[in-house]
Amino acid sequence: SAVISQKPSRDICQRGTSLTIQCQVDSQVTMMFWYRQQPGQSLTLIATANQGSEATYESGFVIDKFPISRPNLTFSTLTVSNMSPEDSSIYLCSVGGGSENTGELFFGEGSRLTVL
Amino acid sequence: TQLLEQSPQFLSIQEGENLTVYCNSSSVFSSLQWYRQEPGEGPVLLVTVVTGGEVKKLKRLTFQFGDARKDSSLHITAAQPGDTGLYLCAGEKVGTYKYIFGTGTRLKVLA
Repeated sequence: SAVISQKPSRDICQRGTSLTIQCQVDSQVTMMFWYRQQPGQSLTLIATANQGSEATYESGFVIDKFPISRPNLTFSTLTVSNMSPEDSSIYLCSVGGGSENTGELFFGEGSRLTVL
Repeated sequence: TQLLEQSPQFLSIQEGENLTVYCNSSSVFSSLQWYRQEPGEGPVLLVTVVTGGEVKKLKRLTFQFGDARKDSSLHITAAQPGDTGLYLCAGEKVGTYKYIFGTGTRLKVLA
């Protein structure tokens, strides 16, 4: 299992600003995933972050808008840049997953972002 | 593009009733998982199915993976208020180690 801590848990931001979300895991993991969950909806994968390489982004998400860092095997950050109200969402960090591991995804409690 | 469609989207039932949630796709997945999410928390894994046609039971919950590994179902027997939550299926994209989540089913069980 893995315990994931995210900061901040919630924030209210002004349009045009940027916010960096931190994700700390209690064990070393190869892959970390960033998801977005808009109010009342399901999870959408933003990108996969591997240590030592650039993040891989899903269709509809770009590095300029969502830059990701992965400096070591226990930590990652996601920045939401030049925010607009449409970016209001819960951002979730996740580890595990896929045939490489046990298959279970572990999630942080999420970072609830409101953009005014 | 959402690859996994769940139905129904919303479900409100009385305690003791049975229900089935469906997760359908036109894509093949290496494995499929079901999660439950409660407000303010991340999703928590209920089960993973890997083999086409596989059936797994977890107390009152029965999960089935379609023969072609494109769809799945979750059946709950004698639902209880504690079953209330958002149910999400998630398919592992072949060869990627990445999971794509379904559209979600919000279940409310009334006492």
